[in-house]
Amino acid sequence: EDQVTQSPEALRLQEGESSSLNCSYTVSGLRGLFWYRQDPGKGPEFLFTLYSAGEEKEKERLKATLTKKESFLHITAPKPEDSATYLCAVRDYGQNFVFGPGTRLSVLP
Amino acid sequence: DAGVTQSPTHLIKTRGQQVTLRCSPKSGHDTVSWYQQALGQGPQFIFQYYEEEERQRGNFPDRFSGHQFPNYSSELNVNALLLGDSALYLCASSPGQGGTQYFGPGTRLLVL
Repeated sequence: EDQVTQSPEALRLQEGESSSLNCSYTVSGLRGLFWYRQDPGKGPEFLFTLYSAGEEKEKERLKATLTKKESFLHITAPKPEDSATYLCAVRDYGQNFVFGPGTRLSVLP
Repeated sequence: DAGVTQSPTHLIKTRGQQVTLRCSPKSGHDTVSWYQQALGQGPQFIFQYYEEEERQRGNFPDRFSGHQFPNYSSELNVNALLLGDSALYLCASSPGQGGTQYFGPGTRLLVL
């Protein structure tokens, strides 16, 4: 059975203090690892898709990386508007889509 | 370009009632998936519709059913509501079953 865990559960950063979020997974044939951002009471917003180990993608202050067992979302010099819950999800060869529980990020001014 | 839309935004029902939630996919998308998200948790997959048929289903009872229309829009029906069905219900659309999923704003369901 596919499993996705995320750590830490919650993270509090000062503005400008860089850090990384972790997503660990076990999956029967990875067909994609996805990162989403979710603001309270809203639907998840797509950020990145990664398909193979060694792949990296960047968008503004965010950079996602992938290994065979985990993915990292690096946040460089975060701003208060980066505060949100960051969700990781995997898709397997059976097209099953499984989400992790998320990391709640708070960036303080 | 309109994104994924869902209606209604909020809904209050009582135990035992039935509810229908609606979703219109992003333009160009033909596949719709439904998720249930309890407070503080990640979304849980309910089922996926493609070509008007249920293609995959998560671990949800058959009280949860759905439909996809020829214009790719979709409905989620929940019968015999339980208190535990209170959650944010999310619809996601994608270009094909293997495409990246884009989410709507969700419908907040409260069962009293």
